[in-house]
Amino acid sequence: DAKTTQPNSMESNEEEPVHLPCNHSTISGTDYIHWYRQLPSQGPEYVIHGLTSNVNNRMASLAIAEDRKSSTLILHRATLRDAAVYYCILRNRNSGNTPLVFGKGTRLSVIA
Amino acid sequence: GAVVSQHPSWVICKSGTSVKIECRSLDFQATTMFWYRQFPKQSLMLMATSNEGSKATYEQGVEKDKFLINHASLTLSTLTVTSAHPEDSSFYICSARAVLGEAFFGQGTRLTVV
Repeated sequence: DAKTTQPNSMESNEEEPVHLPCNHSTISGTDYIHWYRQLPSQGPEYVIHGLTSNVNNRMASLAIAEDRKSSTLILHRATLRDAAVYYCILRNRNSGNTPLVFGKGTRLSVIA
Repeated sequence: GAVVSQHPSWVICKSGTSVKIECRSLDFQATTMFWYRQFPKQSLMLMATSNEGSKATYEQGVEKDKFLINHASLTLSTLTVTSAHPEDSSFYICSARAVLGEAFFGQGTRLTVV
């Protein structure tokens, strides 16, 4: 799977929107962009994924650049419970049932 | 939605003893499960791939005789840390996928070897 680059850490104020960037300049046409997050002392959980179009769900929005070389996870109103490490992972459509490979992710701190 | 349950959540054991960690898929069958290890302030590192009815596949550097994996049914995989030592203290996490798409993770098991 192609590599992603994320900032090590970010900080946000509670109730404010948060934009978490991810660069993936070597993405292929069949790579999906997945986001997972890991709350403290828990296993990761799925957040959202997309291929080309922007995606919205109850947790977040995913904005994908037109050239697909970068994407942004958007938390519309950060809460203290959103403090976690956020991982941006590329998964090829043909990767089958292979494990996710985690990078270092972005540690999001939310300030009350 | 699909859930992966891991047990125990935490365990403290004496050096030299063995510890078994269970990973269950609660509402789907998982022919393949994955075991990860995570040290403090680090990312998840894949240890092994657990295949139902066959031998597990271990990542380079992971001792298969120390980390025994059994995947005897479509809903249960176990990881046994044998002859545990303090350096084995870590956060162990299992994962499974119901269908091609999102992966589900257990809650994790914090192992402390004293």
